[in-house]
Amino acid sequence: DAGITQSPRHKVTETGTPVTLRCHQTENHRYMYWYRQDPGHGLRLIHYSYGVKDTDKGEVSDGYSVSRSKTEDFLLTLESATSSQTSVYFCAIMGTGANVLTFGAGSRLTVL
Amino acid sequence: TQLLEQSPQFLSIQEGENLTVYCNSSSVFSSLQWYRQEPGEGPVLLVTVVTGGEVKKLKRLTFQFGDARKDSSLHITAAQPGDTGLYLCAETSGSRLTFGEGTQLTVNP
Repeated sequence: DAGITQSPRHKVTETGTPVTLRCHQTENHRYMYWYRQDPGHGLRLIHYSYGVKDTDKGEVSDGYSVSRSKTEDFLLTLESATSSQTSVYFCAIMGTGANVLTFGAGSRLTVL
Repeated sequence: TQLLEQSPQFLSIQEGENLTVYCNSSSVFSSLQWYRQEPGEGPVLLVTVVTGGEVKKLKRLTFQFGDARKDSSLHITAAQPGDTGLYLCAETSGSRLTFGEGTQLTVNP
C-alpha cells in the first residue's frame, strides 16, 4: 500500500457542526490534495498543499479550509457543515517526477 | 481549467465483449492519465500518455492518445467482470490534475 490513510472513513453529522477530516502519509511527499466526489461531477479539487504551511485553493474551496503543520498530515475542515457538503472526500499524494496521484480510500461524510 | 468530457457515462456489457470509452477536450492536453476506481476505494493509475498518436497496452487494455492531443480512448478486449469500475481520465497541468466525470463500466458474467 502507498502509505496514505484517511480518517474517519465514515461520519454522519448535523448541519452547522464543524467537521475535520484527516489525511496522513508515510511517503514524505511534498504535494497533498483534497478532492470531493459526487455523482455527475466526478472528482473536484477542493484544496491542495505544496509544503508545510503552503496551501492553495482548488475549484470548489468555498466552505472548506485546510491546514498542514507537518509534512505527513493534511487536514480538511468544514467550519459549519451544510447538506451540500455531503460527499465522499478523497485525499491524494503526488510522488516526485511523474505527476501521478495516489489516493486514499476515501471518507464518506453525510450532513443531515 | 479545461473541461474534460467522457463518454459514455454508463456502459453495461456481457463478459467477453469489447468496448471503447472516450475522453475529449476542446483544448490540447499537456499529458493525460487514465485511472480506474473500484467501489469503496480511491482511483488507481492505469497509464499516462504524453505524445500525440501514442498507443500503450496494458494486458487487454489499449490506450490511445489522439494525434492532436485533444482526445484519448481506452479499448478493452474481451471484458471480464473484474474490469467493472469507474474509468476516469485526468489532464495534468503542472502539479494539478483535472478529472473528467468518468465512465461507469459494468461487465456482467
